[in-house]
Amino acid sequence: ETGVTQSPTHLIKTRGQQVTLRCSSQSGHNTVSWYQQALGQGPQFIFQYYREEENGRGNFPPRFSGLQFPNYSSELNVNALELDDSALYLCASSLFGTGAYEQYFGPGTRLTVT
Amino acid sequence: AQKVTQAQTEISVVEKEDVTLDCVYETRDTTYYLFWYKQPPSGELVFLIRRNSFDEQNEISGRYSWNFQKSTSSFNFTITASQVVDSAVYFCALPPRGEYGNKLVFGAGTILRVKS
Repeated sequence: ETGVTQSPTHLIKTRGQQVTLRCSSQSGHNTVSWYQQALGQGPQFIFQYYREEENGRGNFPPRFSGLQFPNYSSELNVNALELDDSALYLCASSLFGTGAYEQYFGPGTRLTVT
Repeated sequence: AQKVTQAQTEISVVEKEDVTLDCVYETRDTTYYLFWYKQPPSGELVFLIRRNSFDEQNEISGRYSWNFQKSTSSFNFTITASQVVDSAVYFCALPPRGEYGNKLVFGAGTILRVKS
């Protein structure tokens, strides 16, 4: 069973630039959620993708966008980067259905905006 | 709105001590799930447990145990005979209102340091 993978591991960008982060979901999972974790804080839900469509969004501006592909992998895009976007971005996959179910997280991408 | 409070910012214990991590939550849902995750220094969140609001029976899994009390909206986590490898940040979480477990509202986390 292949776990959740994310790329790149680390990234340094300049304010105003755009960035794309990638996530491969765990085998058998059809849903991907993205979280932002600022230093010293708990993860905050950005959005979720299921069947290649956004299925819920947290309190994040439209410059945060995403995609899900037919193989259930996903991308997180952030436009017009701001200094406050510096954080650990976590991707989590799960199997959509009734009832609660745990998410499996990837190791994250550490984004630094200078 | 859902809210999770982990009042303990950081706890330091000596190896083999027992330690309890507190979690207090707020929800208007009548049925809901609660979660604990562990984040070691590597950064990857590791799922520990999921409990539903129907079942207040406490659970033990090896050195880990959980005390869920609906009356006080608490879902505390205890590590018995702590080990250095338990050092990590521990997060309590619950889903947004009406949602299931794959969208989570996390607490701020408790840093656990276990010294040898």
